Amino acid sequence: NAGVTQTPKFRVLKTGQSMTLLCAQDMNHEYMYWYRQDPGMGLRLIHYSVGEGTTAKGEVPDGYNVSRLKKQNFLLGLESAAPSQTSVYFCASSYSGQSSGNTIYFGEGSWLTVV
Amino acid sequence: LAKTTQPISMDSYEGQEVNITCSHNNIATNDYITWYQQFPSQGPRFIIQGYKTKVTNEVASLFIPADRKSSTLSLPRVSLSDTAVYYCLVGDIKGGGSTLGRLYFGRGTQLTVWP
Repeated sequence: NAGVTQTPKFRVLKTGQSMTLLCAQDMNHEYMYWYRQDPGMGLRLIHYSVGEGTTAKGEVPDGYNVSRLKKQNFLLGLESAAPSQTSVYFCASSYSGQSSGNTIYFGEGSWLTVV
Repeated sequence: LAKTTQPISMDSYEGQEVNITCSHNNIATNDYITWYQQFPSQGPRFIIQGYKTKVTNEVASLFIPADRKSSTLSLPRVSLSDTAVYYCLVGDIKGGGSTLGRLYFGRGTQLTVWP
């Protein structure tokens, strides 16, 4: 049972380059999220999706785009990478049911450095 | 969404009980309190969740007073492997992904356990 899987784990980009982070979950979750984590900043939500074909902006969406073409996948794109986007990126997913046990499941993280 | 205040860091020794208190003065009626744990180079993982009074599982206990304006995560007899960042989150987790994913993680509490 893989849970939430992110690829790649590590990547170094040059300023202005583009790249896509892939997130895959095998728990049949409706909701998926992308966060970034910077030193001393905690986790900040970039974009999220409440279902296949739908996406929404989170707290820090600028400079990122996302797509949810398949229920199990959530892609995070950087069209023109900037050094300020150097961070650790976490993908997460959750069940959509309205229950008291509703929690978020996180991936292992993707370390991105923009030089 | 209710924000939380928790200590930036705490230290403990192996075998001691650790209590981490979180303040959430503007908690709403439908809000639940959830704690996550994050080890270095990993994504956060769910520890415990509660609405009122006391909740206990195999990992921790969660104490919530009647006014629900604070909560305390209790870790019994900590070991070196409990060294991690602990996040307190407050929100309407029954509201689905649009509120669940926007739960405020903040900076968390860095717990360091010493031998």
